[in-house]
Amino acid sequence: DGGITQSPKYLFRKEGQNVTLSCEQNLNHDAMYWYRQDPGQGLRLIYYSQIVNDFQKGDIAEGYSVSREKKESFPLTVTSAQKNPTAFYLCASSINVVIQGSNQPQHFGDGTRLSIL
Amino acid sequence: AQSVTQPDIHITVSEGASLELRCNYSYGATPYLFWYVQSPGQGLQLLLKYFSGDTLVQGIKGFEAEFKRSQSSFNLRKPSVHWSDAAEYFCAVGGNFNKFYFGSGTKLNVKP
Repeated sequence: DGGITQSPKYLFRKEGQNVTLSCEQNLNHDAMYWYRQDPGQGLRLIYYSQIVNDFQKGDIAEGYSVSREKKESFPLTVTSAQKNPTAFYLCASSINVVIQGSNQPQHFGDGTRLSIL
Repeated sequence: AQSVTQPDIHITVSEGASLELRCNYSYGATPYLFWYVQSPGQGLQLLLKYFSGDTLVQGIKGFEAEFKRSQSSFNLRKPSVHWSDAAEYFCAVGGNFNKFYFGSGTKLNVKP
C-alpha cells in the first residue's frame, strides 16, 4: 500500500545536538511538507517542497533545515538553533498543484515526537 | 491573509447523539476547504473536502460538511456519534502553492 513513513516515532535530543527526522513516501507525489504540532496550536508549516531540489520556508522555518534530493524523501533537521524543539512533527505529501488558485489534499504520516533530554 | 478558526476547543457528546463542529475561515477567493481527523499519537486522516459545486459534501465515516459562503463557515456534522469518533478534528483552508492553514483543532469526547 502507498503511504508516508516517518521515522523514528520517538526521538530525543540533547542540548546542542542536531537531529534528523526521516520522511519517505511511495505515493509518487511531487510536493512534500513538514509541520510542527503543539497542543492547542494546530499545525504550523515549517518547510515545503514542490519539486526535487527545490524547497521554500514556511511560517516557522528558523532553527530547521531540509533537503529534497529525491522525490520520495524529504528529511527535516532540527538544529541546535531551535531552542524549543519539543513537539510532534508531521510530514505530508500531495499531488503538485498545477492550476493557480487550486488545492490538492495532503496526505500525512504518523508523526515523530521529539523531546529534549 | 488566510486563517481558520475553530471556536470550540473541547466538545463532549453522548454516543448516538448528533454532532456539529464549527469552522470559520478567512480567504479572499473561492476557498478549498478540508476536514481532517487525528487520533492520539497518529497523523491526520482526510475526512472530506470542498472544492466547488454542491455546498453539502459527504465524507468518510458518515461525516458531512456544509459550505456557507455568506457565513464563511464549513461546519462538520454527523447524525449519530460512535465512541470510535473520539479524536481531534482539524479544519483547513488551502492557500497558494498548496500551503494549508489549519485551525487549532477541536477535541471530541464521546460519553457512553
